[in-house]
Amino acid sequence: EVQLVESGGGLVQPGGSLRLSCAASGFTFSSYEMNWVRQAPGKGLEWVSYISSSGSTIYYADSVKGRFTISRDNAKNSLYLQMNSLRAEDTAVYYCARVREEGGITGTSFDYWGQGTLVTVSS
Amino acid sequence: QSALTQPASVSGSPGQSITISCTGTSSDVGGYNYVSWYQQHPGKAPKLMIYEVSNRPSGVSNRFSGSKSGNTASLTISGLQAEDEADYYCSSYTSSSTLEGYVFGTGTKVTVL
Repeated sequence: EVQLVESGGGLVQPGGSLRLSCAASGFTFSSYEMNWVRQAPGKGLEWVSYISSSGSTIYYADSVKGRFTISRDNAKNSLYLQMNSLRAEDTAVYYCARVREEGGITGTSFDYWGQGTLVTVSS
Repeated sequence: QSALTQPASVSGSPGQSITISCTGTSSDVGGYNYVSWYQQHPGKAPKLMIYEVSNRPSGVSNRFSGSKSGNTASLTISGLQAEDEADYYCSSYTSSSTLEGYVFGTGTKVTVL
């Protein structure tokens, strides 16, 4: 069974840092592209960042570029999001999401999501 | 990086059909057949309902269907049921001179009357 379990969320002051983790199980993690998606309280989904299966290709949303860093450790089946210079508007539930793949061909949709971890930026 | 545009709310009676639109630009919805749709119940993680415009993942009811014309994609739910009441989001791959990645829609709350 595919499982994605996020951790690392919590309360942090503006300007502070936090590192989120996503532990993957039930599939060959090293073969899949991954993403972080966030959802502010009562708001819609916002894509945050993408990382290729090898980690060689990375994309960021403009809203987090220069402040957030996505990474992965395929040996540990884990995805990470280092968040620096946090702002009140970064307050959200952060989900890790797997990119769908079928027959060895990678798609562009997210077929499995974690339960999310809440990040609150407030003084 | 603007969100795709969806109606804030759509409603229908049980058994009816409803359609949710998702409007983007030629850099996202119109430029690629990479539109997907997600269903989200309160307090839950999103669930993939449609991928690559019109394909259903295994286990998703055939009452859900997707299509696209130009810069606008659509999700149709036929034979509306009470459990379909949820928020729905479209998403598209996007690529431009300044950005590559994904963009989500503004979200649509579906109410079953």
